[in-house]
Amino acid sequence: EDKVVQSPLSLVVHEGDTVTLNCSYEVTNFRSLLWYKQEKKAPTFLFMLTSSGIEKKSGRLSSILDKKELSSILNITATQTGDSAIYLCAVPIQGAQKLVFGQGTRLTINP
Amino acid sequence: NAGVTQTPKFQVLKTGQSMTLQCAQDMNHNSMYWYRQDPGMGLRLIYYSASEGTTDKGEVPNGYNVSRLNKREFSLRLESAAPSQTSVYFCASRASGTFYGYTFGSGTRLTVV
Repeated sequence: EDKVVQSPLSLVVHEGDTVTLNCSYEVTNFRSLLWYKQEKKAPTFLFMLTSSGIEKKSGRLSSILDKKELSSILNITATQTGDSAIYLCAVPIQGAQKLVFGQGTRLTINP
Repeated sequence: NAGVTQTPKFQVLKTGQSMTLQCAQDMNHNSMYWYRQDPGMGLRLIYYSASEGTTDKGEVPNGYNVSRLNKREFSLRLESAAPSQTSVYFCASRASGTFYGYTFGSGTRLTVV
């Protein structure tokens, strides 16, 4: 059974801290892993990672895939209150016909 | 603006009532999806439609039916609502040939009492 697991499920830090969110996966025919940010409504796309191992960056956010460990991390440096959200990890399966999501990490940044 | 439109945004049902959640996309995407989101469980796939005229079950299809009315519209029906179906429902569509081209609607918060 295809599975995606995220940790921690919840994290509370102070503004300015650096956080690392984890995602591990067990899927057949892995090709890519996606990170989404969900604030009040729909998830919005952050990054797509592949087995190439190339790190993706956007401002204070960065992410990389560890193909050997079957996992990915999402780093956020110098956190701001606007980073408070649920961060979702997902893996496309069956030729990208479906997405399997992890449980999500609820990140809260306190001022 | 182009995107995925869901209606209604909020709904309260009594146990046993039926309702249909509507979803429409104007991006000419072939694939459409219905997910439900419960606290601490991420998004779980209910049904999907890879193309007009086809539908398939996802992870949690029990208690739901779907209709792919045309390329734009994909509806989700609860025939006899149960409290366990209290959730936030998201519709999504995907551009063919991409792994990441999913666009999500803004969600429907459904409460069954």
